[in-house]
Amino acid sequence: QVQLVESGGGVVQPGRSLRLSCVVSGFTFSGCGMHWVRQAPGKGLEWVAFIWHDGSKEYYSDSVKGRFTISRDNSKNTLFLQIESLRDDDTARYYCARDPGRTTMTHLDYWGQGVLVTVSS
Amino acid sequence: DIQMTQSPSSLSASVGDRVTITCRAGQNIDTYLNWYQQTPGKAPRLLIYAAASLQSGVPSRFSGTMSGTDFTLTISSLQPEDFATYFCQQTYSKSTFGGGTKVEIK
Repeated sequence: QVQLVESGGGVVQPGRSLRLSCVVSGFTFSGCGMHWVRQAPGKGLEWVAFIWHDGSKEYYSDSVKGRFTISRDNSKNTLFLQIESLRDDDTARYYCARDPGRTTMTHLDYWGQGVLVTVSS
Repeated sequence: DIQMTQSPSSLSASVGDRVTITCRAGQNIDTYLNWYQQTPGKAPRLLIYAAASLQSGVPSRFSGTMSGTDFTLTISSLQPEDFATYFCQQTYSKSTFGGGTKVEIK
C-alpha cells in the first residue's frame, strides 16, 4: 500500500536550518510530482512547494520562496525540504503529499502523517 | 497568488442533514479545484478532485459542483464520521487552500 513517512522535525532555534525527509513506498516515486504542505497549530493548510517527477522544476509559495528548497532523490524514494533561517512563524506540522501529475499540479491523493517543526529559543 | 474564499468558516448540523460548503476563487481556475476532509490529529484526506470527480473509496454522499469561479461541496446526508474540517484547494496557478470549514454537531 502507499506510504509516506516524514522525519527530521523537532525543536529548532530561530535562525537555524533544518532538513525534512519523506520516504515513500507502494508506488513509482519517479512517476509523480510531490508537494509539501504545512499547518500551523490550530490553523488551516498552507501549500509550501511542488517538484516535478524528475526533480527538474520546482515551485514555491511566495511566503517561503528564497528560504525553502524542495528536492528529491528518486533512487532512494525520498523527498526533501531544506529550510533556512527558521522563523517563529515556520512552526507547523509539515506534510508531504503525492500528486499523480508528473509536471502539473493536480490534486494531493496520498499524504504522510506529518512531522512537527517547532521554532523556539 | 489566487485567493480562495471559503464559507462558512463553521457550521452546526445534525446527522442526516444536507450540508453545503462554498469556495470562491479570485479568478478563473477552470476545474482545478479539490476538496479535502481533515479530522483532529489526522492528515487531510482527498474527497473530490477536478471540481466534481469523486476520489476512489469516498462515499457517494459527497459531491462537488462548479459555476464559474464558485465551487460547492455537498454532503447529501451527514453521517457521524463527517464531523470534521473541510478545505478547498486550487492548483491552477501554483496552489492555495481555502481557510477551512469546521462542521460541528448541533
